[in-house]
Amino acid sequence: ELKVEQNPLFLSMQEGKNYTIYCNYSTTSDRLYWYRQDPGKSLESLFVLLSNGAVKQEGRLMASLDTKARLSTLHITAAVHDLSATYFCAVDMSSKGGSEKLVFGKGTKLTVNP
Amino acid sequence: NAGVTQTPKFQVLKTGQSMTLQCAQDMNHEYMSWYRQDPGMGLRLIHYSVGAGITDQGEVPNGYNVSRSTTEDFPLRLLSAAPSQTSVYFCASGYRLDTEAFFGQGTRLTVV
Repeated sequence: ELKVEQNPLFLSMQEGKNYTIYCNYSTTSDRLYWYRQDPGKSLESLFVLLSNGAVKQEGRLMASLDTKARLSTLHITAAVHDLSATYFCAVDMSSKGGSEKLVFGKGTKLTVNP
Repeated sequence: NAGVTQTPKFQVLKTGQSMTLQCAQDMNHEYMSWYRQDPGMGLRLIHYSVGAGITDQGEVPNGYNVSRSTTEDFPLRLLSAAPSQTSVYFCASGYRLDTEAFFGQGTRLTVV
């Protein structure tokens, strides 16, 4: 059974600081996604990582994937309040394609303080 | 395009009642899934479908049924609601390998 572990589960940061969220998973997969969720809202796709060594950047967020170590990271640079949200990694176990079988981590609740 | 539309947004049920959560997508996506989200648990897969007429169980299927008679619709049926099914339910769809799933706005269900 695939297990996906995120840490930390809670993260309180000051504006302007850097931090990394980690996502470890227990079985082979080379497709991993990061999502953001604001309170009471749906999930918004942030990054699609499809191969070993994949790195994607959008604004102050950068995600990477190491399939050999079964590890993905989400790095936050110079945090701002607008980044406050819960971040999920999801490992794709779909066999047919189309992300129909995602296994999620428990999420990291990020709070960025002034 | 409306994307993935879930109805209702909120629902309160009594224990033992049945109901159907609706999910429709207008993007012609082959792949659809239902997840439940509980505090501190992330999202867990209930059922999924890889096309009309094809469904399969996910991690937590007990107490739920699905069917997929059309590409657009993927309803989730609660057969006899239990308090343990109090949760937020998300429907998602996807269209090909190596692309992310798109999520609906969620249905917040409370079983009393």
